[in-house]
Amino acid sequence: SYVLTQAPSVSVAPGQTASITCGGDDIGSKSVHWYQQKPGQAPVVVVFDDSDRPSGIPERFSGSNSGNTATLTISRVEAGDEADYFCQVWHTSGDHFYVFGTGTKVTVL
Amino acid sequence: QVQLQESGPGLVKPSQTLSLTCIVSSGSITSGDYKWSWIRQTPGKGLEWMGYIYYDGSTNYNPSLKSRVAISLDTSKNQVSLNLTSVTAADTAVYYCARAVLSSPTVRFDPWGQGTLVTVSS
Repeated sequence: SYVLTQAPSVSVAPGQTASITCGGDDIGSKSVHWYQQKPGQAPVVVVFDDSDRPSGIPERFSGSNSGNTATLTISRVEAGDEADYFCQVWHTSGDHFYVFGTGTKVTVL
Repeated sequence: QVQLQESGPGLVKPSQTLSLTCIVSSGSITSGDYKWSWIRQTPGKGLEWMGYIYYDGSTNYNPSLKSRVAISLDTSKNQVSLNLTSVTAADTAVYYCARAVLSSPTVRFDPWGQGTLVTVSS
């Protein structure tokens, strides 16, 4: 199997920068997508293909991916950014299937 | 824009079959640009991709569920269905229907339905 590891929680003050990491074996060779999930709601894509943003997602959301770590960065954090964030990749060694990270809860102080 | 809405029983007895449907509106499930997925979420295991189906009926399932899961299309109703057999308490989860957008070489899931909670209990 393939495991994507995320820190359970990150706390950040408004206006500061939040960095959310997703660790996986050679994840830099894969395309990583990031989802935001607010309480009681379905996940929403905020970054796809490592660093692209869907229309409607603020430029404050950015992504990078290299080596064994992918990172979602939220600049100038706002109260409305408080949510769970999940990474996702396609695992292609042996069986092919999609894997989600364990999730990081971002708390805005 | 496309919207997805899951429906089905909220309570299923152990050993029975869980059956859910997903109605797709403002978009056709016969489009070759997308696949149609089921994903579930539990507090303990997080998000788990269950499988997806393409417009031509071809499927791909999570190996951990492959022996118990089946996804099908009803093009006349523009809906996607999920069957999960021999359920146990471990199958208690929020079940989401999601459109898989082809993003070569992978896919991303966008959008998702609102999700439906299914509890497995006698």
